[in-house]
Amino acid sequence: AQKITQTQPGMFVQEKEAVTLDCTYDTSDQSYGLFWYKQPSSGEMIFLIYQGSYDEQNATEGRYSLNFQKARKSANLVISASQLGDSAMYFCAMRVPFSGGYNKLIFGAGTRLAVHP
Amino acid sequence: GAGVSQSPSNKVTEKGKDVELRCDPISGHTALYWYRQSLGQGLEFLIYFQGNSAPDKSGLPSDRFSAERTGGSVSTLTIQRTQQEDSAVYLCASSKTGQDRVKEKLFFGSGTQLSVL
Repeated sequence: AQKITQTQPGMFVQEKEAVTLDCTYDTSDQSYGLFWYKQPSSGEMIFLIYQGSYDEQNATEGRYSLNFQKARKSANLVISASQLGDSAMYFCAMRVPFSGGYNKLIFGAGTRLAVHP
Repeated sequence: GAGVSQSPSNKVTEKGKDVELRCDPISGHTALYWYRQSLGQGLEFLIYFQGNSAPDKSGLPSDRFSAERTGGSVSTLTIQRTQQEDSAVYLCASSKTGQDRVKEKLFFGSGTQLSVL
């Protein structure tokens, strides 16, 4: 069965430090996509970064990078130089196919990140 | 429109009443998704539309839940005879086609906070 696991309910980090948010996944598909979304207290879901299963390079988007270890089925998010505005819930998600050639995202339980000054 | 729009942003209702939640996706997006997020939890998939049809209704929690989409655009999620356990944030998302297996990201609305008293 396809599943996303985020084992850290909450994380703390000092401003300007780097932090890693863990994500492991389970799928039997060879082709899949992994996403990270940020959800601030306002509630909207903000797309951060994407990694395809066949991408050879780890994805990077500004201060966000994805540590993709395919053999271990992990896709950890690394935030460098944390800022106070990074305090939010972070969700790891995986695109999974279903019948008819369509697909949907399934989400992990999330990690709440608190950045301290 | 510029983004995914949901209304109302907040809805308080009494147990046993019916409610309708509305989602207006990004113009031109054919795929539309409904998710539910209970307090402090991850996102639970409810239903997916491709155009006006729903190839995947697997996440609807009971027959009190239904959804429709008209004109390939606006979608309405209806909950009949609401129960207290229906209290959650209902998020709508859209994507361009829903058919790219890995790359296509979802754009989310700000959600409807439903409170059943």
